[in-house]
Amino acid sequence: QSALTQPASVSGSPGQSITISCTGSSSDVGGYDYVSWYQQHPGKAPKLMIYDVSKRPSGVSNRFSGSKSGNTASLTISGLQAEDEADYYCCSYAGSSTLVFGGGTKLTGL
Amino acid sequence: VHLVESGGGLVQPGGSLRLSCAASGFTFSSYAMSWVRQSPGKGLEWVSGISGSGGSTYYADSVKGRFTISRDNSKNTLYLQVNSLRADDTAVYYCAKGEVDTAMTYFDYWGQGTLVTVSS
Repeated sequence: QSALTQPASVSGSPGQSITISCTGSSSDVGGYDYVSWYQQHPGKAPKLMIYDVSKRPSGVSNRFSGSKSGNTASLTISGLQAEDEADYYCCSYAGSSTLVFGGGTKLTGL
Repeated sequence: VHLVESGGGLVQPGGSLRLSCAASGFTFSSYAMSWVRQSPGKGLEWVSGISGSGGSTYYADSVKGRFTISRDNSKNTLYLQVNSLRADDTAVYYCAKGEVDTAMTYFDYWGQGTLVTVSS
């Protein structure tokens, strides 16, 4: 149950697009189409942004999108806005009803 | 959907606590639930999960044998009994709702968390 690998931080400017990567193995990210992404603002609970690799929950902006290739999943945020500045975590099903999170990525510069 | 955790606090190494999560706004017994923790300034870590009926439980290797997850569907409440606590168990513990009763592949609602501090 090793944590998934995410960049510690990414920077962007309002209106730009950024992509956050999430690398695992064939035992988690590569083995299942069950990757989810969470947004967390300081002192707040995480919020689901993407599930099942690329699906968006109701109410989440279509500026957020997800994808996966092999053992790496990605979250793309387009048209960056100030309120997007937050920590982002990926999560993958890892078999046997267990899950593993990434170390988190801080989005800055907004 | 509303999830409210309680039961956290300061405990000495080797001590125990029982965390609770009161759920409302959905049919509690129809959904798997999990506990996820976050150490101060660190990332999220899945800790434990339980099926809607309570008949199946799952644990991260880091807590297996020390933590016990359970639920009382008549009270719409999720529990986590944490024993043999260590300093590295210090974290905010969140309860999180799964998407169906028998599987947890993502969490669509989270509580605000309860802080557990392990220190002498």
